Amino acid sequence: SQELEQSPQSLIVQEGKNLTINCTSSKTLYGLYWYKQKYGEGLIFLMMLQKGGEEKSHEKITAKLDEKKQQSSLHITASQPSHAGTYLCGADRGGADGLTFGKGTHLIIQP
Amino acid sequence: DSGVTQTPKHLITATGQRVTLRCSPRSGDLSVYWYQQSLDQGLQFLIQYYNGEERAKGNILERFSAQQFPDLHSELNLSSLELGDSALYFCASTLLSGGTDTQYFGPGTRLTVL
Repeated sequence: SQELEQSPQSLIVQEGKNLTINCTSSKTLYGLYWYKQKYGEGLIFLMMLQKGGEEKSHEKITAKLDEKKQQSSLHITASQPSHAGTYLCGADRGGADGLTFGKGTHLIIQP
Repeated sequence: DSGVTQTPKHLITATGQRVTLRCSPRSGDLSVYWYQQSLDQGLQFLIQYYNGEERAKGNILERFSAQQFPDLHSELNLSSLELGDSALYFCASTLLSGGTDTQYFGPGTRLTVL
């Protein structure tokens, strides 16, 4: 099984609706990153969460970290076409290794 | 724009060949990470360099090697290429080594092995 499980794998949402993407880790999290990727392009950094209970927002995107559950959620309010893409969560395991990533959630926004 | 640059953007080559991918980190960043992204494996960490020295290794094949130069740019060398090496290769940079710094990713190099 994957160290980082993202759900759902894909999501189709009508423009203007809210949505939530989840990321669950099977190992201890020292930090959790959210990135957005357009097809075939680089990863755009969205947010980093380090402390249990931490919540950060950027424009209409909010991410929370539940340290006990080793889980993070990304919530988009009033979705827009610009939100379409693949959202990846990456876990920091506390060492010098690079991030471990989930498989991603592919988001489509329907007009 | 993350400030991380990668060249070339696209690379098409044949099996058995050798290629070099280049990465320039953000100004001031000392650490470079290399990742491989493929459809079946997703995004996987390959190797990290900090200030010219190798710091961590992930799922990097023996046919692959990397180095970081005194000017802090890094190169990823892929040799004896196989069809399965076709993927997007990203580098990311951070100021320091370790997990507390945000990793900013470059635009990637798309490698196609025919």
